[in-house]
Amino acid sequence: SQKIEQNSEALNIQEGKTATLTCNYTNYSPAYLQWYRQDPGRGPVFLLLIRENEKEKRKERLKVTFDTTLKQSLFHITASQPADSATYLCALDITGGYNKLIFGAGTRLAVHP
Amino acid sequence: DSGVTQTPKHLITATGQRVTLRCSPRSGDLSVYWYQQSLDQGLQFLIQYYNGEERAKGNILERFSAQQFPDLHSELNLSSLELGDSALYFCASSVATGLNTEAFFGQGTRLTVV
Repeated sequence: SQKIEQNSEALNIQEGKTATLTCNYTNYSPAYLQWYRQDPGRGPVFLLLIRENEKEKRKERLKVTFDTTLKQSLFHITASQPADSATYLCALDITGGYNKLIFGAGTRLAVHP
Repeated sequence: DSGVTQTPKHLITATGQRVTLRCSPRSGDLSVYWYQQSLDQGLQFLIQYYNGEERAKGNILERFSAQQFPDLHSELNLSSLELGDSALYFCASSVATGLNTEAFFGQGTRLTVV
């Protein structure tokens, strides 16, 4: 069956360290992969999009990698801050162009001062 | 502010009732998506509309229905409500021009069925 897996356990790190979150998928061939941030009780907010022919994408302190062979994306936050504490969701676009986004359950990140 | 407006923000209703959730997409966005998020659950894709037409269906119950109107706003109708339908319901919109872009989410409608 088709599945998107993100670490269900919360990730706790110290301020200033790099947080690395994982998104694994099976039985999908996404054209694009996206990462969103969600704060409690709020709607997800788009962070980064990476295409299947891109290995890496950066935006300020954020970096995403996409390995279609491993069927895995890694999401990095460098120099993490307490304000980065949130749930991070990966989403696959499995149709391309019509944005049928299927989300993983998300990983909660807690950055401690 | 994402530009996507959902009303109402909160809704409390009894089992067996019917409710309508409303979504106004960002100006210029033709695609609207509905998602359900139960407590401590991920976002479950329900349904997608593009320019008034249904494009994709996810795990949407038969008791639920949706439509997108000519002015592009969308409504999600939930009927014969059960306690398990209590959740956050999100609407999202995107340009969907054929080049993949991000989805913009509203702040959600929190539905409580008592």
